[in-house]
Amino acid sequence: QLVLTQSPSASASLGASVKLTCTLSSGRSSYAIAWHQQRPEEGPRCLMKVSSDGSYRKGHGIPDRFSGSSSGAERYLTISSLQSEDEADYYCQTWDTGIVVFGGGTSLTVL
Amino acid sequence: QLQLQESGPGLVKPSETLSLTCTVSGASISSSTSYWGWIRQPPGRGLEWIGYVFHSGDTYYNPSLKSRVTISVDTSKNQFSLRLTSMTAADTAVYYCARSPSGSDWYFDVWGRGTLVTVSS
Repeated sequence: QLVLTQSPSASASLGASVKLTCTLSSGRSSYAIAWHQQRPEEGPRCLMKVSSDGSYRKGHGIPDRFSGSSSGAERYLTISSLQSEDEADYYCQTWDTGIVVFGGGTSLTVL
Repeated sequence: QLQLQESGPGLVKPSETLSLTCTVSGASISSSTSYWGWIRQPPGRGLEWIGYVFHSGDTYYNPSLKSRVTISVDTSKNQFSLRLTSMTAADTAVYYCARSPSGSDWYFDVWGRGTLVTVSS
C-alpha cells in the first residue's frame, strides 16, 4: 500500500532553517514525491518535485531558500532563512499508475 | 501563464449530485502530456485526491470514491468537470482543480484557488 507519513507539526525560529520529512511506505524508496505549501486561508501551491536520487525541480517563482533532498525512503524539504510567510501547512504527494496519495501534512510554526 | 478556475454551486442538498467545472486558461487542455485533476479538502483536514482525466477522456479515480465520481473533459470549451453523486455532509470540502504535467509525473504543479462546497438541507 502506498502511504506517505509526515510529522503533524514542526517549529523553528525566524531566520533559522528547518527540515521537514516525508517517509514513503515500505518498498517504495524509488518513488519521487512533490512538496506543496498551503498558507492559512489559501489554496496549495507546488514547491518542488523531489526524486529518489536527491535531485529536485522547483516550481516557477519558488525562492532559493527552499530545497529538496532524499535518503532511502525519506524525502526532505529544507527551508533556510525562515520568514514569517513560511508559516504554513506542508504536504507531500506521491503517485503510481492510477493512484495519487497525499501525506497528512506538517503544520510549520515560525517562532 | 496557466491558470485554473473552479466554478459551481456552493451549497448542495444531501443525496443530490454535485457538478463542478474547471476552466483552464493560458494553455490548451488538449496538450499532449497534461493530466487534469480534482482534489478536495474537508474543513480543518488534509488533501484527498479525487481523480484525473486526460484530454482523450481516459480517467483514473480514487478507489474510495470511484462508485460516485465521474470526471469528464470538454476540449472545445477548454474545461473539465467533476460530478459526485449521493452527496452527504462528509463531502463538505473545498474542491480544487489542478494540473499534472504528464502521465509519468502525476504531481500537481498548478492549482486553482478552490471552491467551498457545503452539503446541507
